[in-house]
Amino acid sequence: TQLLEQSPQFLSIQEGENLTVYCNSSSVFSSLQWYRQEPGEGPVLLVTVVTGGEVKKLKRLTFQFGDARKDSSLHITAAQPGDTGLYLCAGAVSGAGSYQLTFGKGTKLSVIP
Amino acid sequence: ETGVTQTPRHLVMGMTNKKSLKCEQHLGHNAMYWYKQSAKKPLELMFVYSLEERVENNSVPSRFSPECPNSSHLFLHLHTLQPEDSALYLCASSQEIRGIYNEQFFGPGTRLTVL
Repeated sequence: TQLLEQSPQFLSIQEGENLTVYCNSSSVFSSLQWYRQEPGEGPVLLVTVVTGGEVKKLKRLTFQFGDARKDSSLHITAAQPGDTGLYLCAGAVSGAGSYQLTFGKGTKLSVIP
Repeated sequence: ETGVTQTPRHLVMGMTNKKSLKCEQHLGHNAMYWYKQSAKKPLELMFVYSLEERVENNSVPSRFSPECPNSSHLFLHLHTLQPEDSALYLCASSQEIRGIYNEQFFGPGTRLTVL
């Protein structure tokens, strides 16, 4: 069974601060996706990383895929209240069963104005 | 309409009721999914349809019955549910290419409460 551990589970910071959330597994994934989910809504895809060591930037968000493709991190610079939400990582394996994304439990981020 | 839509957004039902959740995707994808999201648990995959054929059901109780009449529409029929089935039910779609399922796009979900 593939598991994705996300840390921290909860994070409350002041506007303007930087933060990093982590997604770790003992399994190797062919790709990893990050989503943000707001209360009462479905997850919205932020980014997909597929290559070990890959770094992708989306404005103030920086995503990194570990060299061994077992872990990933999301760094937010100068957090804003609009960044508040549940951040989910999800890993996929290629081949049979590749439709099955393994989701972490998420990191709930609150950015206080 | 764009993306993935779900109706209703909220549903309250008794344990003896029969209801259906509807999902429609406007992305031209060929795979659709039902997920259950409960508090303090990771998203749980319930059903997958690829090219309108069910490929996975993950041992979901028979009180949940999916239907996929075409590649754009997906239903989840509910009957004799239990209070522990209360959750956010999410629909997603993706494009399968030669057995590789790409990024999944989610609908807004249906918040289900079973009394």
